[in-house]
Amino acid sequence: DMKVTQMPRYLIKRMGENVLLECGQDMSHETMYWYRQDPGLGLQLIYISYDVDSNSEGDIPKGYRVSRKKREHFSLILDSAKTNQTSVYFCASRPPGQGNSDYTFGSGTRLLVI
Amino acid sequence: GQGVEQPDNLMSVEGTFARVNCTYSTSGFNGLSWYQQREGHAPVFLSYVVLDGLKDSGHFSTFLSRSNGYSYLLLTELQIKDSASYLCAVSMPNYNVLYFGSGTKLTVEP
Repeated sequence: DMKVTQMPRYLIKRMGENVLLECGQDMSHETMYWYRQDPGLGLQLIYISYDVDSNSEGDIPKGYRVSRKKREHFSLILDSAKTNQTSVYFCASRPPGQGNSDYTFGSGTRLLVI
Repeated sequence: GQGVEQPDNLMSVEGTFARVNCTYSTSGFNGLSWYQQREGHAPVFLSYVVLDGLKDSGHFSTFLSRSNGYSYLLLTELQIKDSASYLCAVSMPNYNVLYFGSGTKLTVEP
């Protein structure tokens, strides 16, 4: 069964702390994404990864960075978390092929920054 | 991004149908995707349309009109368990990046 796994599921951090959100996939997909979802705004793209060490900013990259050292792992890092980064973060991967838009999403990480 | 708009809420009755509308303002996209998202869960892929017209997939059908910047997801023979949010997203040529609308919350009443 194809899976995208996110850890942790829930996280509470204080303002200024560093945050690491982890994402793994078992499908050897090259392309992975990080989104955040907020009420009324829908899913917003933070970063894209095309493969190992090949990453690109999405629409809202400020305050975030990513790391992809292995194809199956894609991490999102918040250096010095801010309260406006409280959100639900989703990782997704996509099968290869030009016409493929059937992303597989992880279960999400619910981050609260206080 | 890409001006994807959806109504916030939609209500319908069990056994009937519901049409979830989506408008977008971008051009030059690959296609349009629909996802279902239950409360507290991840979005799940439903359908991807590229060509204009109606694509019938049984319980879910999708319609696309590129010239009008419009799509809809049609759910027939509604069940209570179809209550969920439905997300519309345009797929752009750059690595099939999806730009999502904010979703329509469908409530199916008995």
